Amino acid sequence: EDQVTQSPEALRLQEGESSSLNCSYTVSGLRGLFWYRQDPGKGPEFLFTLYSAGEEKEKERLKATLTKKESFLHITAPKPEDSATYLCAVNAGNNRKLIWGLGTSLAVNP
Amino acid sequence: DGGITQSPKYLFRKEGQNVTLSCEQNLNHDAMYWYRQDPGQGLRLIYYSQIVNDFQKGDIAEGYSVSREKKESFPLTVTSAQKNPTAFYLCAIQDRFGRELFFGEGSRLTVL
Repeated sequence: EDQVTQSPEALRLQEGESSSLNCSYTVSGLRGLFWYRQDPGKGPEFLFTLYSAGEEKEKERLKATLTKKESFLHITAPKPEDSATYLCAVNAGNNRKLIWGLGTSLAVNP
Repeated sequence: DGGITQSPKYLFRKEGQNVTLSCEQNLNHDAMYWYRQDPGQGLRLIYYSQIVNDFQKGDIAEGYSVSREKKESFPLTVTSAQKNPTAFYLCAIQDRFGRELFFGEGSRLTVL
């Protein structure tokens, strides 16, 4: 069964304390892995798409990487405004339906 | 201003009433989606449409209905048959290449 698991469920960091969020997946054929950021009461905001193992993408303090089994979202020197829930989703079929993880809730203390 | 617009942002409904959530887009994207988000659960797909006048059921379509009469509009009706309608509803759009989804701001429905 296709599955996406995110860890940890929640993470609390001090401002400037770098860390990584994990998204592991078991799918029959990866057609894209997506990272989103979601603030409370808002819709998810698109961050990155990764298509093949070894691919990396960066945006400000965020860097996403992909292997054949998992993806990491690295957060370098986070700021309080990086506090949000980070969602991972995988496209594994021909019907464009995404499989979503439950998210990691990140809190960055000043 | 380009993008995707959901309305209303907040909606209260009495039990037994149908309610329709609006989703409009002006980016000329082909595909539109409706998701439901509940605390502690991942996003769950209700319905999706890849072309006008055609749509498919997602994983939790029971108690919901949609229409796609225009490319820019994909309204969702939450019917009285939906047993647990209180939730956060998200509409998303996707280009014809099937890449990333772009979401609206969401509509929070509360059944009183």
